[in-house]
Amino acid sequence: KQEVTQIPAALSVPEGENLVLNCSFTDSAIYNLQWFRQDPGKGLTSLLLIQSSQREQTSGRLNASLDKSSGRSTLYIAASQPGDSATYLCAVNGDSNYQLIWGAGTKLIIKP
Amino acid sequence: DGGITQSPKYLFRKEGQNVTLSCEQNLNHDAMYWYRQDPGQGLRLIYYSQIVNDFQKGDIAEGYSVSREKKESFPLTVTSAQKNPTAFYLCASSTRRGTEAFFGQGTRLTVV
Repeated sequence: KQEVTQIPAALSVPEGENLVLNCSFTDSAIYNLQWFRQDPGKGLTSLLLIQSSQREQTSGRLNASLDKSSGRSTLYIAASQPGDSATYLCAVNGDSNYQLIWGAGTKLIIKP
Repeated sequence: DGGITQSPKYLFRKEGQNVTLSCEQNLNHDAMYWYRQDPGQGLRLIYYSQIVNDFQKGDIAEGYSVSREKKESFPLTVTSAQKNPTAFYLCASSTRRGTEAFFGQGTRLTVV
């Protein structure tokens, strides 16, 4: 059974720092992996989707990598800003049932 | 603008009542999903639909019901059989199952 883990559960860093959020999964048979952002009391915003055949995806200051063999994905945020403060969730789509399995998220606080 | 609209944003339910959460999308997506989010946990799938007039149970379907009479609409009914309905409910859609998912802004349901 696929399990997705995000560590740490919370992270606080000063503005301007580059940072990495981690997502690990137990079954490497995935179809794709998505990173989302969630602001308090709001829905989810899709940030990046990486197909199983890809190694990374980039959007602006965000870069997501995928290493299927080790069951890991990272979300790199460059030059962090207070507006990046949110909870970041990763979700894995299985390649047999296409059901999204979710991590519990990392709550990120960027201090001005 | 294309997107997913959930209503209401806040909903209060008395013991023994059924309530219905609305989800409408104008993205022309075939697949739609309902998730439940509780503090500190990953999202859990309640129901999903891949096509009009068809839907399948997710991991926590007990006490919930859905319908998919139109492509654009996927309402969720929380029945009195759901013993712990207080949660944040999120609706999502995708082109088809396994592709990038897009989310509404959520409905917070509270039992009073």
